[in-house]
Amino acid sequence: KAGVTQTPRYLIKTRGQQVTLSCSPISGHRSVSWYQQTPGQGLQFLFEYFSETQRNKGNFPGRFSGRQFSNSRSEMNVSTLELGDSALYLCASSLRGALYEQYFGPGTRLTVT
Amino acid sequence: QKEVEQNSGPLSVPEGAIASLNCTYSDRGSQSFFWYRQYSGKSPELIMFIYSNGDKEDGRFTAQLNKASQYVSLLIRDSQPSDSATYLCAVKIEMNTGFQKLVFGTGTRLLVSP
Repeated sequence: KAGVTQTPRYLIKTRGQQVTLSCSPISGHRSVSWYQQTPGQGLQFLFEYFSETQRNKGNFPGRFSGRQFSNSRSEMNVSTLELGDSALYLCASSLRGALYEQYFGPGTRLTVT
Repeated sequence: QKEVEQNSGPLSVPEGAIASLNCTYSDRGSQSFFWYRQYSGKSPELIMFIYSNGDKEDGRFTAQLNKASQYVSLLIRDSQPSDSATYLCAVKIEMNTGFQKLVFGTGTRLLVSP
C-alpha cells in the first residue's frame, strides 16, 4: 500500500511570496491534516480536511489556508511569506480523522529568505 | 503550563536495557494518547496508541496510561541502537471552542549505546 506523498520536498521562497504545497493521502483515507514543525515550537496542528470540508483548525493566521479535492488530495497555501514560516510542513493521512491514528508524509522543507 | 510536556532528554540507555519515556498532559478530559517515533531528518511514525487506563503491549513496546495522574509513558524493552530517535507524545485535547485537536509534546530524544 503506497504511503503519504508530498510535493515538493524542498522549496526556497522569498519574503512576501506565496507557496502551495501538495499532499496525497493513503488510498482510502479521507482525512488529511497539516502540521508545521520547527525546532523551537515542535509539531503544531494547522488544519484538517475530511471529505473536502475543513473539520478542525489550529491557531495559525489566515495566511495559512488549505483545501481538499474529491480524490482526497489536499493542498496547503501560505500567502505573504514571512521568515518565521520557514519550517518542515507535514501532512498526515487518516482513515477516521486527525484525532485518531495518523500516518505522516515525508514533509516539505520550506525555507523563506 | 504546557498542554503536553515531555523531558527533552537526551535519555541515554545501554543496549538491552529498558527505556522509559514519560509524558504529562494538562487536560483531565483527554481520552486518546499516541506515541510517535521520529528519526533525525524523517517524519513521525506512529508506534502505539492507547485509549484506556492501564497497559497496552505491542512487541517490545508498552504504553502505560494513568488518567488520574495525567501521565502516559512508553517503555521500550531490550532497547536497540536502532531505537535511537526522538519520541513524540500526542494527546487529544478539547479546545474552549468545543473543537478537539491533537497536541504534540516537543519530544524526548533517546540514545541507545551499543
